[in-house]
Order: sequence, then structure tokens, then C-alpha cells
Amino acid sequence: SQKIEQNSEALNIQEGKTATLTCNYTNYSPAYLQWYRQDPGRGPVFLLLIRENEKEKRKERLKVTFDTTLKQSLFHITASQPADSATYLCALFTGGGNKLTFGTGTQLKVEL
Amino acid sequence: GAGVSQSPSNKVTEKGKDVELRCDPISGHTALYWYRQSLGQGLEFLIYFQGNSAPDKSGLPSDRFSAERTGGSVSTLTIQRTQQEDSAVYLCASSLALQGMGGNEQFFGPGTRLTVL
Repeated sequence: SQKIEQNSEALNIQEGKTATLTCNYTNYSPAYLQWYRQDPGRGPVFLLLIRENEKEKRKERLKVTFDTTLKQSLFHITASQPADSATYLCALFTGGGNKLTFGTGTQLKVEL
Repeated sequence: GAGVSQSPSNKVTEKGKDVELRCDPISGHTALYWYRQSLGQGLEFLIYFQGNSAPDKSGLPSDRFSAERTGGSVSTLTIQRTQQEDSAVYLCASSLALQGMGGNEQFFGPGTRLTVL
């Protein structure tokens, strides 16, 4: 069956460290993958999109990698700050059109 | 302009009642999506509208759920004869039209929290 797996356990890290979140998928062949941030009581906010022919994408302190052989994407936040604390969702474009399938998300807590 | 808006922000209803949830997408966005998010769960796709094409209803969990989009803009999600398991946050998102296989970011509204007693 098709699955998108993100670590369900919260990730706690110290301010200034690099946070690395994992998104694994099975039985999909996505052309591209997106990462979103969701704060409590709010809708997700788009962060980055990476295509299957791109190995890495960067935006400010964010970096995403996409390994279609391992069927895995890694999401990195460097020099993390308490304001980065949120739930991070990966999403794959699957099926036709513009439909996204989301992972369950990983909660990140950045502590002082 | 403004982002995606949804109303109401909260809705409490009794089991068996019908509810209507509204979504106003970003002007010019031809694609509109409805998702459901239960506590501690990921986003569950419900339905997708793209321009004048027939909607993709493949995610609707039962025939009690329906949605329409009038004039290519505002959308209403209707849940008939609500059940307690329908309690969740219902999120709406919009995006520009898909161009090739490039992908488009989705802009989400704040959601409607539905509680069925």
C-alpha cells in the first residue's frame, strides 16, 4: 500500500543546532515533493518545493533533499530558533492534477 | 490581496444536523481543495476543483459529504446528518492552475473546527 511516513515523535533540539526531519514514502513515484509548516490552530504554510530531478533545494536557513532511489526527503533547518517550533508536513503530488497527499507531520521544538 | 478565508471558524452542532462550511479562495486561483484534519492526524484529502472541470471527489468519505463551487470562486462543503466522527478541522486551500508537472504551492485558510455533539 502507499504510505508517507514522518517521525511521529516530537523532535526537541537546542537553539542554534540544525534540525533534520525525515519524510519516507513507499509505492509512490512523485514528480515533486513539498514541505509545509503548520502552527497550532492555523492552516499549513508552504515552505519549499523540490522536483524529482533536483537533489537539493535551499531557501535561507532551510534545505531540502530528495532521494528518489531511497524514496526519502530530508528537511533541514540550520541555526534553529525557538520561532521555528511548529509541525512540519511533507506532501507528495500523487494521482492526477494538483492533488497533494500529506504525511502526518513531525513536531519540532527548539529550546533556549 | 487577502488570503484564503473560511467561515465559520468554529461550528458546534448536534448529531444528525446538516452543516455548511464556506471557503473564499484567493482571487485568480482556479484550483480549490478541501481537506480534513483530525486531532493528531495528517491532512486527509476530500475534494478538488479545477476550473470548469468535473471535481475530483475521490476523497469524500461518504455520500453525506458534498461540495460545490459557484462561479469558479466560493466553495461550500456540506455535511448531511452529521456524526460524531465528522468532528475535525476542515481546511480549504487554493492554488494557481497546474502548469505542466511543475507543481504549485497551495495556500491554506485557517480552517473550520467542527464539533459534533
